[in-house]
Amino acid sequence: DTGVSQDPRHKITKRGQNVTFRCDPISEHNRLYWYRQTLGQGPEFLTYFQNEAQLEKSRLLSDRFSAERPKGSFSTLEIQRTEQGDSAMYLCASSQLRARHTDLGKLFFGSGTQLSVL
Amino acid sequence: QQQVKQSPQSLIVQKGGISIINCAYENTAFDYFPWYQQFPGKGPALLIAIRPDVSEKKEGRFTISFNKSAKQFSLHIMDSQPGDSATYFCAASYLDSNYQLIWGAGTKLIIKP
Repeated sequence: DTGVSQDPRHKITKRGQNVTFRCDPISEHNRLYWYRQTLGQGPEFLTYFQNEAQLEKSRLLSDRFSAERPKGSFSTLEIQRTEQGDSAMYLCASSQLRARHTDLGKLFFGSGTQLSVL
Repeated sequence: QQQVKQSPQSLIVQKGGISIINCAYENTAFDYFPWYQQFPGKGPALLIAIRPDVSEKKEGRFTISFNKSAKQFSLHIMDSQPGDSATYFCAASYLDSNYQLIWGAGTKLIIKP
């Protein structure tokens, strides 16, 4: 168990540019989530995959956001035409569909990608 | 109906003291109540969680107290240590769809040596 890894850790971009983030979940986890967190707030749900299928997407998510998990392993989150309001920490988490009793409901988070849009 | 209200926003406790953070929820259908701990520059990490069929759960120095009738739950940190200084989030959801965690706004806890 090497944990959830996210890349890059930090990204600075100019308004209007596209950015892409990558998440590698814990290898045996089949559920993968993307959250967004701004300073002083709890994580905000963006989208969720079970294996390669995107099962849920927040109604608050702009059409400029798209996520993929092509082979049911790693996932990418792309933001097109970034805006200053997109500046936030983007967190990835994973979990097991059939977890051990002690891990039921447990989300394992990565350290996030901090996005700054200038 | 979907909100989770957390208080206080910030908390300063002396080393060795008891830290208490409170949360209230509205949706009586929620059946999973976790607490996450987050250090600066890191993602949240699950600290302890409770189901509504018990009123208290203890893991080491951390205890969740759950009051189903009042729709409230709280985190107690006994013998608080400087290493406990972090932001704590309560959350609530349906266990079989845990991606729909509804998060509190967080409590920044500082333990003074």
